[in-house]
Amino acid sequence: DAGVIQSPRHEVTEMGQEVTLRCKLISGHNSLFWYRQTMMRGLELLIYFNNNVPIDDSGMPEDRFSAKMPNASFSTLKIQPSEPRDSAVYFCASSLRVGQGGEQFFGPGTRLTVL
Amino acid sequence: DQQVKQNSPSLSVQEGRISILNCDYTNSMFDYFLWYKKYPAEGPTFLISISSIKDKNEDGRFTVFLNKSAKHLSLHIVPSQPGDSAVYFCAASTYSNFGNEKLTFGTGTRLTIIP
Repeated sequence: DAGVIQSPRHEVTEMGQEVTLRCKLISGHNSLFWYRQTMMRGLELLIYFNNNVPIDDSGMPEDRFSAKMPNASFSTLKIQPSEPRDSAVYFCASSLRVGQGGEQFFGPGTRLTVL
Repeated sequence: DQQVKQNSPSLSVQEGRISILNCDYTNSMFDYFLWYKKYPAEGPTFLISISSIKDKNEDGRFTVFLNKSAKHLSLHIVPSQPGDSAVYFCAASTYSNFGNEKLTFGTGTRLTIIP
C-alpha cells in the first residue's frame, strides 16, 4: 500500500519564481497537514485540512503561501513569489481522524532551495 | 516562541546502553504528547505517545515518561541499537473540537548509537 506521496523530491528555483509542491494522501485518510522543517525552528505546522476544509492556517508565514485541496486525495502548497528564506524541507502528512485523532503518516518531503 | 523545546541537538550512546532523550514544554494546555523518529531523506514516523492522564507508557524497548509538574517528558530506549540512530522529535497537542490533530513539534535531537 503506497504511503503519502510528495513531488517533487527536490526543487531548486530562483528568487521570485512560483513554486508548487504536491502531495497525495493515503487512500481513505481524511486529514492533511503541511509542515516545514528548518534547523532553527524544527517542524512547524503550516496548515491542515479535514475533509478538504482548511481547519487551521495560522502557521502559514505570509500571503505568499497558499494551500489547496482540490479533491479528497490531493493537495498543493504554492509559494509565489519565492524567497531565499523559504528554503527548507516541506513535508505533508495524512491521517484518518477518528475521535481524538489518528497517527499522522508523513511523506518523504520536498527539499526546496531558493537561490 | 518555541512551546516545545529539545535542548540537546545531539546525543551519542554506546550500543546496548540506555538512551534518554529529553523534551520540555511551556504550554500547560498540552494534554497529549508524542515522539517521532526520522531517518535521513525520509519523513518522520510515529514512535510512541502518552496522554496527560498517565505518567508512563511503554512499548517494547521504548518508554515515555511524563512529569506534568515540571512540564517535562523523556524517551528512554533500552537497550540502544545501531538502528536507533536517527533524529527524534518530541510533539505535543491540545484537545480541541478537532481532537488532538494539531501537533507542535520540537527542533529534534540527533541520536547516534556507537557500535
